Amino acid sequence: DARVTQTPRHKVTEMGQEVTMRCQPILGHNTVFWYRQTMMQGLELLAYFRNRAPLDDSGMPKDRFSAEMPDATLATLKIQPSEPRDSAVYFCASGTGEGEETQYFGPGTRLLVL
Amino acid sequence: QQQVKQSPQSLIVQKGGISIINCAYENTAFDYFPWYQQFPGKGPALLIAIRPDVSEKKEGRFTISFNKSAKQFSLHIMDSQPGDSATYFCAAYSGAGSYQLTFGKGTKLSVIP
Repeated sequence: DARVTQTPRHKVTEMGQEVTMRCQPILGHNTVFWYRQTMMQGLELLAYFRNRAPLDDSGMPKDRFSAEMPDATLATLKIQPSEPRDSAVYFCASGTGEGEETQYFGPGTRLLVL
Repeated sequence: QQQVKQSPQSLIVQKGGISIINCAYENTAFDYFPWYQQFPGKGPALLIAIRPDVSEKKEGRFTISFNKSAKQFSLHIMDSQPGDSATYFCAAYSGAGSYQLTFGKGTKLSVIP
């Protein structure tokens, strides 16, 4: 049963600390998306990759967020320094990028910045 | 132009009733409209989807109705069950070199016994 995996599932940190979230997309999927979910804003697209190349990161605060795909099996989202307003659930999703784009979501990383 | 507007924000339905969630869009380049279902503590998952060349698609108790001229589409859940309690997101996809989905804000559905 292929699925997207994310680590950690939960993270509590103090303001100013660096946070790194990891995602393993489904094998063979070549588009990877990072979303942030909050009660107020719903699902926000932060960035996405196609064949490991960043296609769009316009939804991401550039001064503190960075997203990378060091290889086809790993995507990372880093926040440095973290702030309380970054508290949210961060989802990674992957897709084949062919025809209708069905996105397969991971279980999310629940981040709390104190 | 890129927005997908979803309503209502929350919905309470009695068991056995019909749940209806509505979405509207502006961008005529959208050509694929999926609905995602999210249970608490889980990521969203594809529930059902439609292309604008058909006006309705049904899968079990779930039906999408699509009105291309009005640029509106809706999800109907027949015989709603407590297990359907979740947050539902409509979305739209335009392809054309962009692989991203534009999501609505979500509707939290509660089905009460």
